[in-house]
Amino acid sequence: AQKITQTQPGMFVQEKEAVTLDCTYDTSDPSYGLFWYKQPSSGEMIFLIYQGSYDQQNATEGRYSLNFQKARKSANLVISASQLGDSAMYFCAMRGGRGGGFKTIFGAGTRLFVKA
Amino acid sequence: GAVVSQHPSRVICKSGTSVKIECRSLDFQATTMFWYRQFPKKSLMLMATSNEGSKATYEQGVEKDKFLINHASLTLSTLTVTSAHPEDSSFYICTVLGGRGYTFGSGTRLTVV
Repeated sequence: AQKITQTQPGMFVQEKEAVTLDCTYDTSDPSYGLFWYKQPSSGEMIFLIYQGSYDQQNATEGRYSLNFQKARKSANLVISASQLGDSAMYFCAMRGGRGGGFKTIFGAGTRLFVKA
Repeated sequence: GAVVSQHPSRVICKSGTSVKIECRSLDFQATTMFWYRQFPKKSLMLMATSNEGSKATYEQGVEKDKFLINHASLTLSTLTVTSAHPEDSSFYICTVLGGRGYTFGSGTRLTVV
């Protein structure tokens, strides 16, 4: 069975500083994908970054980077140079392989507050 | 990535009525779409996998007769909440599997009064 865990219900960060949002996962499928999404108060889901289970390098997208530690089954999101607009809910998600119908499950989320 | 349009964005309906939510993939032929439900301040819970031309696959605990899914074409999947009750009030969101990432619709906030 697949499982995604986000243990930080809320996080505070000072503007312009970096912040790490934790995510651990569990799956028996050798092929999987890991995602991070941002959900502002408007409710839309915004794709941030993707890491494939076979990718050798950590994914980066602008100010977002994914610290992928496969042996530890962790996929933490690092946001550098935080901005006030980064305040939102952040969800870690995992897409299973073909055996699981490519279903994606989501963690409980972390609410990030960026302070001026 | 795919462009996904979800309609309506908000709907208020009376208890006992049915509500249809549409999810359209505008520039991508989506053989598979997923429907999620999100309660306030909670995570997204997968309800069902919508497969074009075949029956949807529902997650455990989701009533298929309550939440009817029709995926009649490669660009359209619909979710109908039948005989809606206040406990069905929620945020419903669809997503399309395409490329590396999923593209989400903008969501539908359903309020049943």
